[in-house]
Amino acid sequence: DIVMTQSPDSLAVSLGERATINCKSSQSVLFSSNNRDYLAWYQQKPGQPPKLLIYWASTRASGVPDRFSGSGSGADFTLTISSLQAEDVAVYYCQHYYSAPYIFGQGTRLDIK
Amino acid sequence: DVHLLESGGGLVQPGGSLRLSCAASELTFGSFAVAWVRQAPGQGLEWVSTISADTTSAYYADSVKGRFTISRDNSKKTLFLQMNSLRAEDTAVYYCAVPPDISVAGRGVYGHWGQGTLVTVSS
Repeated sequence: DIVMTQSPDSLAVSLGERATINCKSSQSVLFSSNNRDYLAWYQQKPGQPPKLLIYWASTRASGVPDRFSGSGSGADFTLTISSLQAEDVAVYYCQHYYSAPYIFGQGTRLDIK
Repeated sequence: DVHLLESGGGLVQPGGSLRLSCAASELTFGSFAVAWVRQAPGQGLEWVSTISADTTSAYYADSVKGRFTISRDNSKKTLFLQMNSLRAEDTAVYYCAVPPDISVAGRGVYGHWGQGTLVTVSS
């Protein structure tokens, strides 16, 4: 199974500042035949289901603000929020979908400093 | 937009069974691989199971293999999860989830989620 490890477990960032969350997979999730990384990012706020932010490592889902961006390839990935807004307080998860089981990272809690 | 409504959760004793359902509003439900994802209280997300659009393939997390069975009825746009031999560690909110668009219809990435149904396993 491909294990996903996020860092840090939690972070606090000032409003308007950049937030960066990292995700590392235990093996590459880059599929060579189509050169795509099978990596997604989700945001979850208390009492709500997760919301898809990014898939294919860097493609924003419909309706996601452009302050959210994904980068990386192979086994190392990053979610960046360019200018933190109050409504971005949440837990963020990465997930691979390279092959079942589709494992999630342990989550990163993002708060306002 | 896709709307997913889970039902069937509740309190069950260890060793008992429950059957969860997820009703979808989307007419193209039958074109997507769909999944169950769970979240234990205060914990992270755990993928549980996925079934292909044509029902020929199903995949399970090791933690539920042999105890849970996923199925679907595309004519009724409904997903099911039969849970047997339930354990305390199965206590969680269970979400059904669907890919965001047809370009990833068979993939394990989820853009549409229900509100979840709570399963509590306790004596």
